[in-house]
Amino acid sequence: ETGVTQTPRHLVMGMTNKKSLKCEQHLGHNAMYWYKQSAKKPLELMFVYSLEERVENNSVPSRFSPECPNSSHLFLHLHTLQPEDSALYLCASSQNPGAQETQYFGPGTRLLVL
Amino acid sequence: GENVEQHPSTLSVQEGDSAVIKCTYSDSASNYFPWYKQELGKRPQLIIDIRSNVGEKKDQRIAVTLNKTAKHFSLHITETQPEDSAVYFCAAKGSGNTPLVFGKGTRLSVIA
Repeated sequence: ETGVTQTPRHLVMGMTNKKSLKCEQHLGHNAMYWYKQSAKKPLELMFVYSLEERVENNSVPSRFSPECPNSSHLFLHLHTLQPEDSALYLCASSQNPGAQETQYFGPGTRLLVL
Repeated sequence: GENVEQHPSTLSVQEGDSAVIKCTYSDSASNYFPWYKQELGKRPQLIIDIRSNVGEKKDQRIAVTLNKTAKHFSLHITETQPEDSAVYFCAAKGSGNTPLVFGKGTRLSVIA
């Protein structure tokens, strides 16, 4: 349960706020991911980082800004969000981004935008 | 790109019965198919996976089958227990750096 950690676990913010989500993995993995999980929708991949370099960006709005300072840490900076951005944001990691490997998920940050 | 369809969206079974969840995928190059279980308020966790060179894989009460020709794969849970109640996600992954694409999930309820 401590392999991938996320903070905060819950966040309420207004549309004009700026906040950041943090993810940390203690598994020695090289790839990290941000997913958005909304009700009745599949897990939506937002960003993939491999060895601190962004390798995937699924046309996510610019109000979401990722940062990967090293292979163990991943941030998601949030600004001027919309109510429809309310969701569970999950971080995951895997050994490599391209291999057939298990992704290990963090507990998620439940975000509510008012 | 890859598209994964998952059915049913909800499934209720009596304890002890079997449960089957089916997924189809669109990209014939996909070669890795994991299944994740997400209990209420918890993170998704891998329960079983299958690669394209295998037709079936079993782990105790859980089995997964893959039909590459028809591009579908299924999760089978036998002798269901209340603790099997969760949302189950299938996923498919193509070759190279293509990402995992998830299905919409199936909410399984096992009634004691």
